[in-house]
Amino acid sequence: DAGITQSPRHKVTETGTPVTLRCHQTENHRYMYWYRQDPGHGLRLIHYSYGVKDTDKGEVSDGYSVSRSKTEDFLLTLESATSSQTSVYFCAISERVRLAGAPNTGELFFGEGSRLTVL
Amino acid sequence: SQQGEEDPQALSIQEGENATMNCSYKTSINNLQWYRQNSGRGLVHLILIRSNEREKHSGRLRVTLDTSKKSSSLLITASRAADTASYFCATGVSAYKYIFGTGTRLKVLA
Repeated sequence: DAGITQSPRHKVTETGTPVTLRCHQTENHRYMYWYRQDPGHGLRLIHYSYGVKDTDKGEVSDGYSVSRSKTEDFLLTLESATSSQTSVYFCAISERVRLAGAPNTGELFFGEGSRLTVL
Repeated sequence: SQQGEEDPQALSIQEGENATMNCSYKTSINNLQWYRQNSGRGLVHLILIRSNEREKHSGRLRVTLDTSKKSSSLLITASRAADTASYFCATGVSAYKYIFGTGTRLKVLA
């Protein structure tokens, strides 16, 4: 299994409180991602990182911020949690694989998820 | 809206039968991947097909890609109860950005 650890795995918090989820990898992969998974929506990309201090927004970035100060850590912060942010959050990592003649990308490796409940 | 849409949303078959699920997407892609998710777990990569490939096999899995129709299919042959899971397609829309579909829930009855 890829070395990806998400913490905390479960969290219950109240509306308006700040929350930080941590993703830690031991694979030295360049790319890291945060997704949220909700019934009927599948997985939706929140933010992703393509290097230390290099991040970009995904489909559903409003209300979320991220930071990546080290290769191994990617933090997702909810500055003021809302009930609509109740979800399961998945971190993923990947390493780009370049093949002769065309760029390509490798597979994503996922963490086990962090279940967040905002009351 | 989602880049990828899987069809059907749910599928129930008998052990030994084949399972086919489809994925449609909207924009041009570099590659398309299929993932499996067991209940309560993270996603696991199954197979990747590049935009210049039309078909790929891996064990009991067969993936096709039709870029003109912006669609892909995943076939699981001789299904087993252990194949019960949700299956997602993921489109590589840039060198490192992936968009997932809504998933197909497969139930294989023993």
